[in-house]
Amino acid sequence: GAVVSQHPSRVICKSGTSVKIECRSLDFQATTMFWYRQFPKQSLMLMATSNEGSKATYEQGVEKDKFLINHASLTLSTLTVTSAHPEDSSFYICSARDPMLYGYTFGSGTRLTVV
Amino acid sequence: GNSVTQMEGPVTLSEEAFLTINCTYTATGYPSLFWYVQYPGEGLQLLLKATKADDKGSNKGFEATYRKETTSFHLEKGSVQVSDSAVYFCALGRSGGGADGLTFGKGTHLIIQP
Repeated sequence: GAVVSQHPSRVICKSGTSVKIECRSLDFQATTMFWYRQFPKQSLMLMATSNEGSKATYEQGVEKDKFLINHASLTLSTLTVTSAHPEDSSFYICSARDPMLYGYTFGSGTRLTVV
Repeated sequence: GNSVTQMEGPVTLSEEAFLTINCTYTATGYPSLFWYVQYPGEGLQLLLKATKADDKGSNKGFEATYRKETTSFHLEKGSVQVSDSAVYFCALGRSGGGADGLTFGKGTHLIIQP
């Protein structure tokens, strides 16, 4: 099946710095990718929909200036957490529609810790 | 709007026991339904799916049937193994075409004891 690669798997950064997370579709083209956030022992919340070549669509309550999304090619979407604060610490997971299975394939996630 | 409600855990069972994890949903139209599994420290893996009423998704001994009349998609397995210990998420596709993201339930932590 389709594979989505997410990098890095873990990152620790200092408060006030920015962190970039990459999401790549390895063997298919993804015009649309999705970014989720998961708090400990809780469900995944959709943050934004990343559209290749156009602006991302953010869910209500998600700060677009805080979470910058770029989808410059059909195989890469990036999420940049700007001016990170400890409350941004979370597990971030990207996803793309699997063209073969009519489902959604997920990356392995990025554990962000802001200290 | 769309929502998914699933039984909260943890659910603790002995090996070879029968498993049911309940999932009900609220949605407009005819959404697709999914079960995902998450092992510790990992991302989500698609377990099974159903795209229309009365469809039965199945994989690795797990089954779920799309019941439109009861708006349910309960996950079942006849005989669980220790390796099935994980968190299970019921999810709803927000549109039939799959152009939108998924709405997830809160997840059910399943613990299987030997």
